[in-house]
Amino acid sequence: AQSVTQLGSHVSVSEGALVLLRCNYSSSVPPYLFWYVQYPNQGLQLLLKYTTGATLVKGINGFEAEFKKSETSFHLTKPSAHMSDAAEYFCAVTFTGGGNKLTFGTGTQLKVEL
Amino acid sequence: KAGVTQTPRYLIKTRGQQVTLSCSPISGHRSVSWYQQTPGQGLQFLFEYFSETQRNKGNFPGRFSGRQFSNSRSEMNVSTLELGDSALYLCASSLVGTAEETQYFGPGTRLLVL
Repeated sequence: AQSVTQLGSHVSVSEGALVLLRCNYSSSVPPYLFWYVQYPNQGLQLLLKYTTGATLVKGINGFEAEFKKSETSFHLTKPSAHMSDAAEYFCAVTFTGGGNKLTFGTGTQLKVEL
Repeated sequence: KAGVTQTPRYLIKTRGQQVTLSCSPISGHRSVSWYQQTPGQGLQFLFEYFSETQRNKGNFPGRFSGRQFSNSRSEMNVSTLELGDSALYLCASSLVGTAEETQYFGPGTRLLVL
């Protein structure tokens, strides 16, 4: 069975600082990994995903993530935080043959301070 | 293209009642998945429908059911509501529901059970 662990339920950064949100996965087969963002009272929006190929994945709004098989990690980064990045971020996993049933992490609430 | 729409956006029900939620996928998308989001359990997969057939199911009691119509619109039903069913119910659609596809989420239906 797959699982996802997001370290840090709350992360606070200053505007302009580096954003690093951590995600570690557990999967017995090659995973497909996703990062979603959720703004208050809204659904989830895909930031980026890793399926196959290049392990450094670039997404929307300046976010990127690197798939590291040896570390079973898929951390999300953004070089410079903006106030509009304040939201909840979810890492999710599925795998070939698993259909599109996503297993989500518990989420990380990102706060951006002036 | 219009996004995923969910109706109603908010619902208040009492214990023991039943409720039906509706989801209209993005035009051309044939796979519809449902997720429950609660503060305690996070985001959990309920089920997925493709071509009017339930293709995948999460670990929820039989009180939770769904269906899909020929136009890919989907409904989920919860019978004999319990207080613990209070949650945000999210619907997501994708073209054919393969693991590597992006799922597009609707804004959700927030259900409060009193």
